[in-house]
Amino acid sequence: GENVEQHPSTLSVQEGDSAVIKCTYSDSASNYFPWYKQELGKRPQLIIDIRSNVGEKKDQRIAVTLNKTAKHFSLHITETQPEDSAVYFCAASRAGGFKTIFGAGTRLFVKA
Amino acid sequence: NAGVTQTPKFQVLKTGQSMTLQCAQDMNHNSMYWYRQDPGMGLRLIYYSASEGTTDKGEVPNGYNVSRLNKREFSLRLESAAPSQTSVYFCASSDLYRGARYGYTFGSGTRLTVV
Repeated sequence: GENVEQHPSTLSVQEGDSAVIKCTYSDSASNYFPWYKQELGKRPQLIIDIRSNVGEKKDQRIAVTLNKTAKHFSLHITETQPEDSAVYFCAASRAGGFKTIFGAGTRLFVKA
Repeated sequence: NAGVTQTPKFQVLKTGQSMTLQCAQDMNHNSMYWYRQDPGMGLRLIYYSASEGTTDKGEVPNGYNVSRLNKREFSLRLESAAPSQTSVYFCASSDLYRGARYGYTFGSGTRLTVV
């Protein structure tokens, strides 16, 4: 079945450094790739997304890249801050599809 | 604008008891979902409702039933709770616009413990 693999499971960076989280998907028909941030004890919240007709998208300190050929997509956070500490989930779904498959999550620690 | 509202926030059940988790959204979304979140396993889809009047199984539907009561409300029922159903449950909603999928809005979650 479809799956999304996410790496690393834990990432620790110094404040101000960059963080990169990588995901690989199996369903070649996937064309929508959202990223969610979940702070401790809170609900997941959509932070950025990308569609298959775009290779890169930026929003202030965060960016996502997509390589459809390799079925890889990544989240990049620059100038990390302590408030970026959270669990990040990547996900993939098909056009018009109703099933979104999530990665297992990456716990990001930003040390002050 | 409340978004997605889930009740209850916490629940402890004994094995074999039943309960219903309630979810309501006020964003006029067509699609609603129930996920469970377990440590190290991300979010797994239990059931979803693409639109009012339809429901379909997700990845882990066994032991659960759902009802799409109307466009706003989507409930999840555990008929005979088991310890393996101890988890955090999230309801979510989303929509399509011109065939393009948009991201989920999640409820605040229900932490369920089955003893």
